[in-house]
Amino acid sequence: QSVLTQPPSVSAAPGQKVTISCSGSSSNIGNNYVSWYQQLPGTAPKLLIYDNNKRPSGIPDRFSGSKSGTSATLGITGLQTGDEADYYCGTWDSSLSAVLFGGGTKLTVL
Amino acid sequence: QVQLEESGGGVVQPGRSLRLSCAASGFTFSSYGMHWVRQAPGKGLEWVAVISYDGSNKYYADSVKGRFTISRDNSKNTLYLQMNSLRAEDTAVYFCAKEETMDAFDIWGQGTMVTVSS
Repeated sequence: QSVLTQPPSVSAAPGQKVTISCSGSSSNIGNNYVSWYQQLPGTAPKLLIYDNNKRPSGIPDRFSGSKSGTSATLGITGLQTGDEADYYCGTWDSSLSAVLFGGGTKLTVL
Repeated sequence: QVQLEESGGGVVQPGRSLRLSCAASGFTFSSYGMHWVRQAPGKGLEWVAVISYDGSNKYYADSVKGRFTISRDNSKNTLYLQMNSLRAEDTAVYFCAKEETMDAFDIWGQGTMVTVSS
């Protein structure tokens, strides 16, 4: 069981908006930056968001990140079938001196 | 072109050792911390280890501490993971990743599969 908690699955229709939550504690999300990754089937993860809300070059502004207290949220607007993937949050844990990943959330675009 | 390429995976018996390599190209390897992340079949991502840009600092997940060693050769632009006393639960695809920040990985390799089985 992951220290960072994500919902196992979310779904929404094409064109709609979805949010994915990531819950942690003061030793990780509460005092460190959060990143988000997209993993398409059979491929390596891809960085979508870093430092809570920054997008790397090439990531469309349909993807957004936010953080409040010990929780973080990934938002995806204008859903496309190509967004169907697993999404992971990640952060540093100051007590463990380790990087943590959430358990992952499978997005289905109906 | 910024690229990471892992090698060294395979099938190994429990208790044996294996060394993974990750060749970097297209960026100044010696300026960045590097990580290993693994993914067991059908499971989520699990962080394994990190090494600082100059090799002076290393951290490990509790699940591999004392068995795995991360290292790097900046003259060869290569990252390594020495895995000893392998267990069935170490079976996974192993990815190397370049850090953008301490906890954000912007470049990933394609992964190399390690199977621990008798």
